[in-house]
Amino acid sequence: KQEVTQIPAALSVPEGENLVLNCSFTDSAIYNLQWFRQDPGKGLTSLLLIQSSQREQTSGRLNASLDKSSGRSTLYIAASQPGDSATYLCAVRQGGSQGNLIFGKGTKLSVKP
Amino acid sequence: DVKVTQSSRYLVKRTGEKVFLECVQDMDHENMFWYRQDPGLGLRLIYFSYDVKMKEKGDIPEGYSVSREKKERFSLILESASTNQTSMYLCASRPVGSGNTIYFGEGSWLTVV
Repeated sequence: KQEVTQIPAALSVPEGENLVLNCSFTDSAIYNLQWFRQDPGKGLTSLLLIQSSQREQTSGRLNASLDKSSGRSTLYIAASQPGDSATYLCAVRQGGSQGNLIFGKGTKLSVKP
Repeated sequence: DVKVTQSSRYLVKRTGEKVFLECVQDMDHENMFWYRQDPGLGLRLIYFSYDVKMKEKGDIPEGYSVSREKKERFSLILESASTNQTSMYLCASRPVGSGNTIYFGEGSWLTVV
């Protein structure tokens, strides 16, 4: 059974730092991997989606990488800002066209001014 | 712009009541999902639907049912609410295809007393 783990559970950094969030999964047979952001009390917003055939995706200050063979993904945030404070979740998609997402429990990021 | 709307953001219900949580998407997506999110447990899939009148059980379907009579609407039903169903409920939708991202609603906070 697929398991997704995110370490650390919480992270606090000063503004301006570059940081890396980690995601690992136990079954490499995935279709894609997504990173999400969740603000307190809100729904999830998709940040980046990496197909299983891709190695990385970039959007602005965010860069996500995927190493399927080792079951790992990282989300790199450059020049962090207080507005980046949120919980970041990764999820892997398995199965066919109806495949479901398996979520990690998230990393709660706090960026201090 | 993509929109998944959960009609009730905050509900308080009594044990034994029948509860309806409604979700509407305006993107003509085939797939729709209901998750619940609990501290320490992350997001868990309750039910999903890949077409009108079609439904599949997720990881934790016990105590829940769903209805999808129209493509844009997916309802979650708690036949007899219990206190252990107090949670944040998230609806999501996604078009068919392995490369497509998923879109979440803002969530419904349900408290059962």
